[in-house]
Amino acid sequence: QVQLQESGPGLVKPSETMSLTCTVFDGSIGSYYWSWIRQPPGKGLEWIGYISYSGSSNYNPSLKSRVTISIDTSKNQFSLKLSSVTAADTAIYYCARRITLGSYLFDLWGRGTLVTVSS
Amino acid sequence: DIQMTQSPSSLSASVGDRVTITCRASQTISSNLNWYQQKPGKAPKILIYAASSLQSGVPLRFSGGGSGTDFTLTISSLQPEDFATYYCQQSFSTPTFGQGTKLEIK
Repeated sequence: QVQLQESGPGLVKPSETMSLTCTVFDGSIGSYYWSWIRQPPGKGLEWIGYISYSGSSNYNPSLKSRVTISIDTSKNQFSLKLSSVTAADTAIYYCARRITLGSYLFDLWGRGTLVTVSS
Repeated sequence: DIQMTQSPSSLSASVGDRVTITCRASQTISSNLNWYQQKPGKAPKILIYAASSLQSGVPLRFSGGGSGTDFTLTISSLQPEDFATYYCQQSFSTPTFGQGTKLEIK
């Protein structure tokens, strides 16, 4: 059974760049699209962006200037970098697999990791 | 961005009740609409995709409908494990989610 697991620092200082990695276990990262989605504590979900197995990416326009998503197929990992963070970036960050079944959907999610932006 | 508006924002119901949650898109999205269930401390779980298709393993009491701008998620007979927050999500363009509907026990 394919599983996703997020990893990275849980505390980041304002104005710094946060970095998270998602590892795909018991399955191949190939042939799929991989996304990052976040959820501020007690609030709703926001899609951050995706990267394909071949390296093409697309980002939420509201975050595009600060986001980079990359992929390392040799390690079965993909990563998120978000620059110039503020308290508004405090959230649970999920990695997820995007598939197409008549529409694009997120069928597999990691457990999520809380990132707090604070000095 | 396409805005997704769910109603109600919260709902109290009893085990065995039939409940319907509505999701409205700010512009037409055809059938590019998915529904997720999220329980406290857990990641969202896909329930319905392409407006009305039931994800494998999801109980038959869940159903989805609609197209264009107006969509529904119906639970035919609430079970204790169904009390959670439900989100709609459009995939017609840059993905966006509704604000969520919290389903609570009456």
